[in-house]
Amino acid sequence: KNEVEQSPQNLTAQEGEFITINCSYSVGISALHWLQQHPGGGIVSLFMLSSGKKKHGRLIATINIQEKHSSLHITASHPRDSAVYICAVRTPSSNYQLIWGAGTKLIIKP
Amino acid sequence: KAGVTQTPRYLIKTRGQQVTLSCSPISGHRSVSWYQQTPGQGLQFLFEYFSETQRNKGNFPGRFSGRQFSNSRSEMNVSTLELGDSALYLCASSLGPDRDYTFGSGTRLTVV
Repeated sequence: KNEVEQSPQNLTAQEGEFITINCSYSVGISALHWLQQHPGGGIVSLFMLSSGKKKHGRLIATINIQEKHSSLHITASHPRDSAVYICAVRTPSSNYQLIWGAGTKLIIKP
Repeated sequence: KAGVTQTPRYLIKTRGQQVTLSCSPISGHRSVSWYQQTPGQGLQFLFEYFSETQRNKGNFPGRFSGRQFSNSRSEMNVSTLELGDSALYLCASSLGPDRDYTFGSGTRLTVV
């Protein structure tokens, strides 16, 4: 079993829909990152969380440390949100090395 | 403020050759980490440097090596290239090991 599991692997939705991507982890963490990767390769860091909730524009990220679970929400989704969303956790036990989820490929249709 | 700069953007090499990739972090960032991304394996951690010292190393063979200079710029070197080394190599910089990252655009290496 991977230490960081994301679901779903693939998600196709219509423009305007509310999107939720989930991330569960099985290790102790110091922080959790949500990142976005567009076709062509560039990766953008969206959020770094260690507790609670963060919001940036239409993106909201939450984390529940007790349940070892995080969610990324996109409100009023738009075709430009189409990308791969990756969850990664930092683990003090491995010298703060990042452990990556496999990513969720999101396609928003107009 | 300049972002993380990786050079070159694209590279084609022949099996058996060696290659050096460069990463210039954001000014003031002292931590640089390297990742390999392939379609089959996803993102794999290569190594992380902080203030010229390697802090972490992933599970890659000794053909993969790196270093960081006093100005925080980092290089990674792959010797005796194999076809399986074809990948997107990404570098990320941060102020420190437990801080948020900024990624470069990557170097796409093709080994033929």
